[in-house]
Amino acid sequence: QKEVEQNSGPLSVPEGAIASLNCTYSDRGSQSFFWYRQYSGKSPELIMFIYSNGDKEDGRFTAQLNKASQYVSLLIRDSQPSDSATYLCAVEGAQKLVFGQGTRLTINP
Amino acid sequence: KAGVTQTPRYLIKTRGQQVTLSCSPISGHRSVSWYQQTPGQGLQFLFEYFSETQRNKGNFPGRFSGRQFSNSRSEMNVSTLELGDSALYLCASSLDGRTYNQPQHFGDGTRLSIL
Repeated sequence: QKEVEQNSGPLSVPEGAIASLNCTYSDRGSQSFFWYRQYSGKSPELIMFIYSNGDKEDGRFTAQLNKASQYVSLLIRDSQPSDSATYLCAVEGAQKLVFGQGTRLTINP
Repeated sequence: KAGVTQTPRYLIKTRGQQVTLSCSPISGHRSVSWYQQTPGQGLQFLFEYFSETQRNKGNFPGRFSGRQFSNSRSEMNVSTLELGDSALYLCASSLDGRTYNQPQHFGDGTRLSIL
């Protein structure tokens, strides 16, 4: 079992809709969770981080964490074509960040 | 505030050679981590440095090594290059790293191609 799992996609969402990205992790001791966005040919850019169970909102982005289910998600409201990218889930584990393979998101105008 | 700076941006080498990549963290950041990104394996952790000491290491062969200087700048070295070392090498810095809950910020990466 991979330490951090994401659906590789591609996930296609119409412009203006809500995009939902999911991530599961295996290390129950993990305390910190991060979402990065990576455009093609670019480096990962930090979007959100969450440490506590529940929801954390920042503009159009909402991160959700459920430690009991070992599940973290990212919601993007009012999706824009500029949101088309690969989204990487990262989990702190064994004193390092472990990344999922990423979900490729495409927003269709 | 300047971001994480990696040099060079692109590098072409041949098998058997060695290469050194450089990373300057965000001012005030003392933790520097290195990652290898390939289409097949995704982002994989290489090692992390804090106060000139390697604190953590990923599952890479000894050909991959690094160091950190007193100004927190870091270098990564790969010796006896193999075709499979072709990848994007990313450096990320974080503020303190005494806890591991510090968000890491990435540089633009060095794209290494092995011929």
